[in-house]
Amino acid sequence: GEDVEQSLFLSVREGDSSVINCTYTDSSSTYLYWYKQEPGAGLQLLTYIFSNMDMKQDQRLTVLLNKKDKHLSLRIADTQTGDSAIYFCAESWDTDKLIFGTGTRLQVFP
Amino acid sequence: NAGVTQTPKFRILKIGQSMTLQCTQDMNHNYMYWYRQDPGMGLKLIYYSVGAGITDKGEVPNGYNVSRSTTEDFPLRLELAAPSQTSVYFCASRLGPVADTQYFGPGTRLTVL
Repeated sequence: GEDVEQSLFLSVREGDSSVINCTYTDSSSTYLYWYKQEPGAGLQLLTYIFSNMDMKQDQRLTVLLNKKDKHLSLRIADTQTGDSAIYFCAESWDTDKLIFGTGTRLQVFP
Repeated sequence: NAGVTQTPKFRILKIGQSMTLQCTQDMNHNYMYWYRQDPGMGLKLIYYSVGAGITDKGEVPNGYNVSRSTTEDFPLRLELAAPSQTSVYFCASRLGPVADTQYFGPGTRLTVL
């Protein structure tokens, strides 16, 4: 079965780095994603990584994938108050569908 | 482009009532999805469609129905509303089977009393 797990909360100081972690169970996942949800809004795709990659960097975002441990992480450098949101990881082994994690609420304080 | 639009934004239903949540996209996307998000939880897939005339069940389809008569519209029908269907419903679309083209609507907050 498929299951994607995340820790519920993360609190960081403005300017520090944030690391949000995710574990998934389906080793046949082909794509793994990070989405951001701001209050009262839908989900916004931040970035994604193919399963044959170990790392992907996009400006302040770094995604690391450890396929052996089925572990995905999102690092946000120089975290800002505007980064406060809920972050969801998701996996896809069937390109028609995504399975979402429960979300990590990131709170950034001054 | 308006992107993905959903109506209504909010709705309160009584147990046993029915309603249709509307979803429209103007991006000519083939794939469309309905998710529900319960408080403090991730998204669960209700139904999805890979093109007009084609629909498939997701993880939690019970109590819902969908249709896809056009590329643009993907309405979600609740026939006999139950308190367990209190949730926020999101519609999403994407052009094809590539993640970076997926777009979400703003959501419909539904309460069943």
